[in-house]
Amino acid sequence: DGGITQSPKYLFRKEGQNVTLSCEQNLNHDAMYWYRQDPGQGLRLIYYSQIVNDFQKGDIAEGYSVSREKKESFPLTVTSAQKNPTAFYLCATRTENTGELFFGEGSRLTVL
Amino acid sequence: AQSVSQHNHHVILSEAASLELGCNYSYGGTVNLFWYVQYPGQHLQLLLKYFSGDPLVKGIKGFEAEFIKSKFSFNLRKPSVQWSDTAEYFCAVNGSSGYQKVTFGTGTKLQVIP
Repeated sequence: DGGITQSPKYLFRKEGQNVTLSCEQNLNHDAMYWYRQDPGQGLRLIYYSQIVNDFQKGDIAEGYSVSREKKESFPLTVTSAQKNPTAFYLCATRTENTGELFFGEGSRLTVL
Repeated sequence: AQSVSQHNHHVILSEAASLELGCNYSYGGTVNLFWYVQYPGQHLQLLLKYFSGDPLVKGIKGFEAEFIKSKFSFNLRKPSVQWSDTAEYFCAVNGSSGYQKVTFGTGTKLQVIP
């Protein structure tokens, strides 16, 4: 089944722990994105990658890190330096020909 | 830096009313513009997009948007809303060349009352 798989869907962590959210795609898209969705704040861009081994900071990259070692995978690590990590995280890919973003189901992280 | 403003945060309409949601963007170059919709419990999905050409673009479910370059605007319209249009709507922009950073607005929640 084609698409974007984010895991886990729900995650609880204690303060001070790093957490890695997985994003895997089989759409063969080069560009991948991580957004954070908070009520009333829309989607804010954390990191994006246009190609393997390359990524760029978005608008709210502090406290997050990513890697892009494979075209299919773009994991996001929420580090202990992120001051307000509790949020809904969305991964997306973008198709080159239409520019449309395709989104995963999201991961909801709660830090206790 | 690119940015998107959506001034209407929450809109309540009766069925059959007309809809217009505002979107203004800031970007120092040629842009691609998008409207996405998120129905309750569902993924974000594309409603319509503008790349070039006719500034009036039509999307799915009877939605349309008009790109007005002089006003940096890309407002979403629908002549007659239905209860099933209840959703959150997001405007997005990216520069049409170079790094493809896609920036979203804060979203507008539309509630349609039967």
